[in-house]
Amino acid sequence: DQQVKQNSPSLSVQEGRISILNCDYTNSMFDYFLWYKKYPAEGPTFLISISSIKDKNEDGRFTVFLNKSAKHLSLHIVPSQPGDSAVYFCAASDRGSQGNLIFGKGTKLSVKP
Amino acid sequence: ETGVTQSPTHLIKTRGQQVTLRCSSQSGHNTVSWYQQALGQGPQFIFQYYREEENGRGNFPPRFSGLQFPNYSSELNVNALELDDSALYLCASSTRTGFTEAFFGQGTRLTVV
Repeated sequence: DQQVKQNSPSLSVQEGRISILNCDYTNSMFDYFLWYKKYPAEGPTFLISISSIKDKNEDGRFTVFLNKSAKHLSLHIVPSQPGDSAVYFCAASDRGSQGNLIFGKGTKLSVKP
Repeated sequence: ETGVTQSPTHLIKTRGQQVTLRCSSQSGHNTVSWYQQALGQGPQFIFQYYREEENGRGNFPPRFSGLQFPNYSSELNVNALELDDSALYLCASSTRTGFTEAFFGQGTRLTVV
């Protein structure tokens, strides 16, 4: 049973527009959420995170929103750039346990010029 | 500050053989986690090492084992390789003081034939 779900395998967006990537989770013990970006032949690169005590975290063009009641988070990229084309993974952790990350299957974002 | 490095980058093994993968953690990080990423899936947690001891394990059989050394580098050993072990193996390092994002290496692509 998947505890972290990314239901959209792919997303295509025009350069300059907003990209919204979604993630749902089922485990109410998760208290820390992260987004990673992965290019082919590279390891995942940390993008942005959010603690469960917050509902929004912003870093430049990237904003993560957390809706705990809906067990849903989203990553907004504004404006989208062709270099943002990659696979984006949502990950969650219960820091009270061992702190390992539970990943979704990823969403492949394509930003077209 | 050096990042997380893994070796080798690619490896081909025969079913039934044993393999050792290596990881050097990022400077200042005392925790190493290993993940398996099958094709089209998100990374799956194998186990974590902290101060040379296993500190948590995912749903992987005992033929997956590991070590962490005093310099915090780590090894992942897999015995009796099966075809389904073919995957990208990722090493991630982090600190245990609070929780920070894990930094990933580029991975080792293992193919079992």
